[in-house]
Amino acid sequence: DVKVTQSSRYLVKRTGEKVFLECVQDMDHENMFWYRQDPGLGLRLIYFSYDVKMKEKGDIPEGYSVSREKKERFSLILESASTNQTSMYLCASSPQGSLAGANTGELFFGEGSRLTVL
Amino acid sequence: GEDVEQSLFLSVREGDSSVINCTYTDSSSTYLYWYKQEPGAGLQLLTYIFSNMDMKQDQRLTVLLNKKDKHLSLRIADTQTGDSAIYFCAESMPSGYSTLTFGKGTMLLVSP
Repeated sequence: DVKVTQSSRYLVKRTGEKVFLECVQDMDHENMFWYRQDPGLGLRLIYFSYDVKMKEKGDIPEGYSVSREKKERFSLILESASTNQTSMYLCASSPQGSLAGANTGELFFGEGSRLTVL
Repeated sequence: GEDVEQSLFLSVREGDSSVINCTYTDSSSTYLYWYKQEPGAGLQLLTYIFSNMDMKQDQRLTVLLNKKDKHLSLRIADTQTGDSAIYFCAESMPSGYSTLTFGKGTMLLVSP
């Protein structure tokens, strides 16, 4: 069964702390994504990566960075956590390739990491 | 630009049909998707439709696509309490990165 695993389901951190959110996928997917989900705002893309050591900014990258040292692992880093980064963070992956082919563009999501910053 | 709009809330009785609507703005979308999120969980793909199709049926689910109006709908027949969840509409852009743009989600509440 395909799987995207986020290491922490719930985290509580203090303002100014450095936070690492880890995501691992076992499907050999090229693309990996970090979204945050907030009530009334839906899902917003923070960063994505289409290959090892490659990264692209999404819609709301400010205050975040990412690391993709291995194909299966994509980490989201909050260098100095702030209260407005309290949110649900969702990791996703997908295979590379043309959407007109066998790849339908489907994203496979992890269960989410709920971060509270006090 | 890309924007996906959906109503935020829908309440139905068990056994009724539910219809969740979505509008999108980018006519170059290749695929349109419906994802389901149960409480405390990530998103799971429910169904998708290729942009050259008008309708897709999968058991209790019917997806209708009106490209002229850029309108997508999801109909759930014989809605059950287990269908209570947030439903997200999403569109894809024709690139190799599979970047999806999501709507804000419609919370479906099914009462007995």
